[in-house]
Amino acid sequence: DAGVTQSPTHLIKTRGQQVTLRCSPKSGHDTVSWYQQALGQGPQFIFQYYEEEERQRGNFPDRFSGHQFPNYSSELNVNALLLGDSALYLCASSPGTGNTEAFFGQGTRLTVV
Amino acid sequence: GESVGLHLPTLSVQEGDNSIINCAYSNSASDYFIWYKQESGKGPQFIIDIRSNMDKRQGQRVTVLLNKTVKHLSLQIAATQPGDSAVYFCAENTRFNTDKLIFGTGTRLQVFP
Repeated sequence: DAGVTQSPTHLIKTRGQQVTLRCSPKSGHDTVSWYQQALGQGPQFIFQYYEEEERQRGNFPDRFSGHQFPNYSSELNVNALLLGDSALYLCASSPGTGNTEAFFGQGTRLTVV
Repeated sequence: GESVGLHLPTLSVQEGDNSIINCAYSNSASDYFIWYKQESGKGPQFIIDIRSNMDKRQGQRVTVLLNKTVKHLSLQIAATQPGDSAVYFCAENTRFNTDKLIFGTGTRLQVFP
């Protein structure tokens, strides 16, 4: 079992550009959540996808959007990148809703210059 | 790898000693709590969880204590090893908001030989 996998591992983008990050959940998991972790802070919830729909959203602007595919993999898209979007973006998967253990990927380190 | 937290509270312990990492949570409605370990350059790794109907749960070398009266959570690591060096986060969730984890600020554990 490969666990949660994310790609790419590192990415450098220019302010104003758009970026797409990808996540494959752990085998058997159908729920994917995305988190943003700024340096020195804990992860902040962006949104969660279940059954190909966004189920809940954190306090992030509409520039942040996502998608879940029938195979449960997910993408995070960020438009009009700002310098402040530089962070580690984490994907977590879990086996459905409710209070269950969430498994995290290694993250994608996004640097906006 | 890149440092997860540059200015986090730090706990320094000698190898073989026991470690206690504390966490205060703010939402009295939270009923599920998780401790994560995050090594430099990696995503958070699940350590142990506890539900609000319990006040203590033990794993391998780790124990989580929950005091709902004062909204306090602690992680005890027995016989701390150099491999335990990492940043530790507590996270909370509620049955009414099961879609996202709310993370604390984190504590850096440094283990000296």
